[in-house]
Amino acid sequence: GNSVTQMEGPVTLSEEAFLTINCTYTATGYPSLFWYVQYPGEGLQLLLKATKADDKGSNKGFEATYRKETTSFHLEKGSVQVSDSAVYFCALSSTNTGNQFYFGTGTSLTVIP
Amino acid sequence: NAGVMQNPRHLVRRRGQEARLRCSPMKGHSHVYWYRQLPEEGLKFMVYLQKENIIDESGMPKERFSAEFPKEGPSILRIQQVVRGDSAAYFCASSPLVSTQETQYFGPGTRLLVL
Repeated sequence: GNSVTQMEGPVTLSEEAFLTINCTYTATGYPSLFWYVQYPGEGLQLLLKATKADDKGSNKGFEATYRKETTSFHLEKGSVQVSDSAVYFCALSSTNTGNQFYFGTGTSLTVIP
Repeated sequence: NAGVMQNPRHLVRRRGQEARLRCSPMKGHSHVYWYRQLPEEGLKFMVYLQKENIIDESGMPKERFSAEFPKEGPSILRIQQVVRGDSAAYFCASSPLVSTQETQYFGPGTRLLVL
């Protein structure tokens, strides 16, 4: 089946610290992988995506590389800001899922000045 | 280009009442998805619709829940005889194409509270 396992939070970092949020997946077919961000009281916004193995998605200083050999899509950022405080969701869309997305449980990030 | 719109943003119902949630997809998008987010959890797929058709409702509870996407107007998620366990955030997403590579664009959600 299809599933996403995400690093549990909450994560608290100081401003300018390095961020890693782990995400691993199981999937049938050929999945595309996504990171979404949810700010308090809002919907999900696409942060980045990768559609095939070894692709790197990047946006706003965040990066994630689609690693088929380790079935992972870890999110990284070199220097976090207070404005990055949010909940981050890893998700996959697979050829066998009729286009529904499978989401991880989310990782809450708080960045303190 | 307006994003996905959902209303109401917040909805309070008493047990046994009906809840009706609306979603207008992005312009040009004909594929609509509904997800439910329980407190402290990720989003769970409920149903996927195209205009006038339910394509996949494998995530929808068998009773009390229904969804439609008429030829004209928004998609509607309807919950009859609500119970406290229905309290959650309900998100709608849309996409222009059916493809695993296609991004789904999410609305702001409707937060349902059942008293």
